Amino acid sequence: AIWMTQSPSLLSASTGDRVTISCRMSQGISSYLAWYQQKPGKAPELLIYAASTLQSGVPSRFSGSGSGTDFTLTISCLQSEDFATYYCQQYYSFPWTFGQGTKVEIK
Amino acid sequence: QVQLQESGPGLVKPSQTLSLTCTVSGGSISSGSYYWSWIRQPAGKGLEWIGRIYTSGSTNYNPSLKSRVTISVDTSKNQFSLKLSSVTAADTAVYYCARGDHTSYCGGDCPPDYWGQGTLVTVSS
Repeated sequence: AIWMTQSPSLLSASTGDRVTISCRMSQGISSYLAWYQQKPGKAPELLIYAASTLQSGVPSRFSGSGSGTDFTLTISCLQSEDFATYYCQQYYSFPWTFGQGTKVEIK
Repeated sequence: QVQLQESGPGLVKPSQTLSLTCTVSGGSISSGSYYWSWIRQPAGKGLEWIGRIYTSGSTNYNPSLKSRVTISVDTSKNQFSLKLSSVTAADTAVYYCARGDHTSYCGGDCPPDYWGQGTLVTVSS
C-alpha cells in the first residue's frame, strides 16, 4: 500500500490567512491525488482532483499543486467556512489511501 | 442531482456480519461509467477506503479487509450493499457510501465526488 504523510496535523490560523497543507507519498503517484474538506458530522466534500483541478463549485481560493510524491493544498485567503479538517487521498493504486488529516482551527 | 443514502442496523454484535445498503436516487445506478464505493471513519479518526464495485460486478477491495468484505450491486433496486463478516469493536465507525466516475479526463478513475451522509455502526454485545 502507498503510505501518505500529511502535515501539519493541526493548523491554527486567522481569517484572511494563506494556509498550506502538505501531503507526501511513500512512492510516486503521478497526479492521482485528491483533496477533501470535512466538517464535523458531515461527509467529506471533494475539493480538488488530479492534484490541481478544482471540483465544480469549489471557490477559487482553493488550489492544489504537485506531482509524483509531494503535493500541496493552499487556501489563499481563509474564510470562516473553511475551518474544517482536510484530507488528501491517492487513487493511483489499490488500496486507495487517505492522509491522516489536517484540522484547520481558529487561532 | 444524484443522492446516496446509507441504511442498516446501527448496532451489530461481535462476530456477526455487518450489512449496509446504499440507495441511489436522482439517477440510475447503471447509467454512465460510475463506480460505487464504501469508505469508513472511526470516531475522531481518519478515512479508510473499504472497496468499490462497478455495475458490471467488477470489484476492488482493501486487502486489510478483503477476507471479510463483500460489495454487491442490485440494479433493479438502484442499490449497492456492503457485508463485513466477523466484526469486532475495531469495525465500529461511520460508514459512507460514495460514487466516483471513470473517465478519460481523470486518466481513468476519478476520486469519489458524491457521498452519502454516513451511518454509524457500533459493534458491541
